[in-house]
Amino acid sequence: DGGITQSPKYLFRKEGQNVTLSCEQNLNHDAMYWYRQDPGQGLRLIYYSQIVNDFQKGDIAEGYSVSREKKESFPLTVTSAQKNPTAFYLCASSIGTAPYEQYFGPGTRLTVT
Amino acid sequence: AQSVTQPDIHITVSEGASLELRCNYSYGATPYLFWYVQSPGQGLQLLLKYFSGDTLVQGIKGFEAEFKRSQSSFNLRKPSVHWSDAAEYFCAVVNTGGFKTIFGAGTRLFVKA
Repeated sequence: DGGITQSPKYLFRKEGQNVTLSCEQNLNHDAMYWYRQDPGQGLRLIYYSQIVNDFQKGDIAEGYSVSREKKESFPLTVTSAQKNPTAFYLCASSIGTAPYEQYFGPGTRLTVT
Repeated sequence: AQSVTQPDIHITVSEGASLELRCNYSYGATPYLFWYVQSPGQGLQLLLKYFSGDTLVQGIKGFEAEFKRSQSSFNLRKPSVHWSDAAEYFCAVVNTGGFKTIFGAGTRLFVKA
C-alpha cells in the first residue's frame, strides 16, 4: 500500500540534544511538508520541499533543519536551538505544491525534558 | 494575508443528530478549500475539497460542504452523526500563489450516546 511512514511514533530526548524525525513516502509525490501541531493552534508549517535538493522555510523554521536528498525521504532535525520542541510533528506529501490535497503520515510525538 | 477561522473549539452532538461545523476564510480570489479529519494521535485525512464548479461538495464518510462566496464560508455538514465521527476537524485554504495550505485551529467533535 502506498502511503507515508513516520518513525518513531514516540520520541523522548533530553534538552540540548538534536533529534531527527524520519519521514518516508512511496506515493511518488514531488512535494513534502513538515508541520508542528500544538493543542488549539492547528498546524503550523515548518519546512516544505517542492522537489529533490530544494526546500523552503515555512512559518516557524527557526530551530529546525531538513534535507531532501531523495524524492521519497524528507527528514526533520529538531536542534537544540528550538526553544520549545515538545510537540506533535506531522509529515505530509502532495503530487505538487498547493492546491493539491496533502497526504499525512501518522505523526511523531516528541517530548523533550 | 489569508486566514481560516473555525469559530467553535469543540462541539458535542448526540449520535444520530445532524452536524454542522463552521469555517470562514479570508481570501481575495476564488479559494481552494479543504476539510480534513484527525483521529486522536493520528495524521490528517482528506474529507473533501472545493476547487470550482458546484458549490455543494460531497466527500467521504457521508460528509458534505457548501461553499458560499457571499459569506466567505465553507461549512461542513453531516445529516446523521455516528460515534466513530468523534475526531478533530480542520478547514484549510490555499494561499495566493498556491504554495502553502493554511489550516484553521480545528474543531473537536464529541459524540454522545
